[in-house]
Amino acid sequence: GAVVSQHPSWVICKSGTSVKIECRSLDFQATTMFWYRQFPKQSLMLMATSNEGSKATYEQGVEKDKFLINHASLTLSTLTVTSAHPEDSSFYICSARPGQANSPLHFGNGTRLTVT
Amino acid sequence: RKEVEQDPGPFNVPEGATVAFNCTYSNSASQSFFWYRQDCRKEPKLLMSVYSSGNEDGRFTAQLNRASQYISLLIRDSKLSDSATYLCVVNMGAGGSYIPTFGRGTSLIVHP
Repeated sequence: GAVVSQHPSWVICKSGTSVKIECRSLDFQATTMFWYRQFPKQSLMLMATSNEGSKATYEQGVEKDKFLINHASLTLSTLTVTSAHPEDSSFYICSARPGQANSPLHFGNGTRLTVT
Repeated sequence: RKEVEQDPGPFNVPEGATVAFNCTYSNSASQSFFWYRQDCRKEPKLLMSVYSSGNEDGRFTAQLNRASQYISLLIRDSKLSDSATYLCVVNMGAGGSYIPTFGRGTSLIVHP
């Protein structure tokens, strides 16, 4: 089955530093990847749609200058949380579709970010 | 009104029980529908797709009612390991641009 790999699984960083999260599709090409954030006991919230070779599409309320997305190849999208603050601590999950736009998403294993 | 709505629960049921969840969606142009399972502190995993004709996989049955704009998930003979949050996902959009929209999830607790 389709595999999406996300790295790192967890990271602890100091306030003010930047953190990069990688999302790779291992056995398929993904022109589109989705980045989600989930706070404890809350639902997944779509942050942005990452498009290979073009700018990401951000959801309302998500700061594009704070959450930098780069989708430089058909198998890799990165999310960089710049100048992280404690309120950015969350579970970040990427996903991609191995087939048509109507097909189900496959998720990376998520990155648990803790900003101290 | 939220685009995809689910009762958050929790649904607390004994082992062996049958339990059903519903999920309603607002966009009549929605094209595809899925149920995911999410365990605590883990990523969602695809449980099954949902078709108008119904879809059964072992103890799990999913159905779609386009007229009333809801999908359902039925779990028979519940196991302790079924305890999780069940997420309803609807692909909304048109023209080849389908944005997956999640419900907030329904928590299921199966007890001995």
